[in-house]
Amino acid sequence: AQSVTQPDIHITVSEGASLELRCNYSYGATPYLFWYVQSPGQGLQLLLKYFSGDTLVQGIKGFEAEFKRSQSSFNLRKPSVHWSDAAEYFCAVGDSGNTGKLIFGQGTTLQVKP
Amino acid sequence: DAMVIQNPRYQVTQFGKPVTLSCSQTLNHNVMYWYQQKSSQAPKLLFHYYDKDFNNEADTPDNFQSRRPNTSFCFLDIRSPGLGDAAMYLCATSSLPTSGGALRDTQYFGPGTRLTVL
Repeated sequence: AQSVTQPDIHITVSEGASLELRCNYSYGATPYLFWYVQSPGQGLQLLLKYFSGDTLVQGIKGFEAEFKRSQSSFNLRKPSVHWSDAAEYFCAVGDSGNTGKLIFGQGTTLQVKP
Repeated sequence: DAMVIQNPRYQVTQFGKPVTLSCSQTLNHNVMYWYQQKSSQAPKLLFHYYDKDFNNEADTPDNFQSRRPNTSFCFLDIRSPGLGDAAMYLCATSSLPTSGGALRDTQYFGPGTRLTVL
């Protein structure tokens, strides 16, 4: 069965510093991978997705992620974090069936220090 | 501009009193999903509609039901809410091919309904 692991439950970075959020997945075939962001009390907003092709994916708000099949990873990065990036970040993998179901990791809470 | 709308944003109900949450979409997507997200946890799929076909997750309690009267609307009914059902309920939509085959389209989420059970 597919699964997603986000090893870091909570991360604190200083504003302007670089950011990397880790995501590891378990999937037999080529995965469909997503990163979503959730601000407190809000729904989920898609940051970026990987279906195929270039393994470095650009997203919104200056985020990017790199798919590494050899490491079963899809880490999210941003070169310079802004205070408004403080939120919860979820990595997800698409289900292998025909439902489009998403399987989410546990999430990483990002805190940004001034 | 709103694409997936959920009403109400906040719902308070009493233990055992039925409650209905609403989701509507302007995307004309054929698939609609309901997720439950408890505090500090990942969203968990309850069920989804593929057009008019209802698909229940194996571990979704019978207490949760859903209706989809048309493409645009989907409802989540909780027949007898318990304290453990307090959560954020997220509706999402996506577009999957009706001719078969899998397509990993993006899911678009609504803002959620925060349910409190007293």
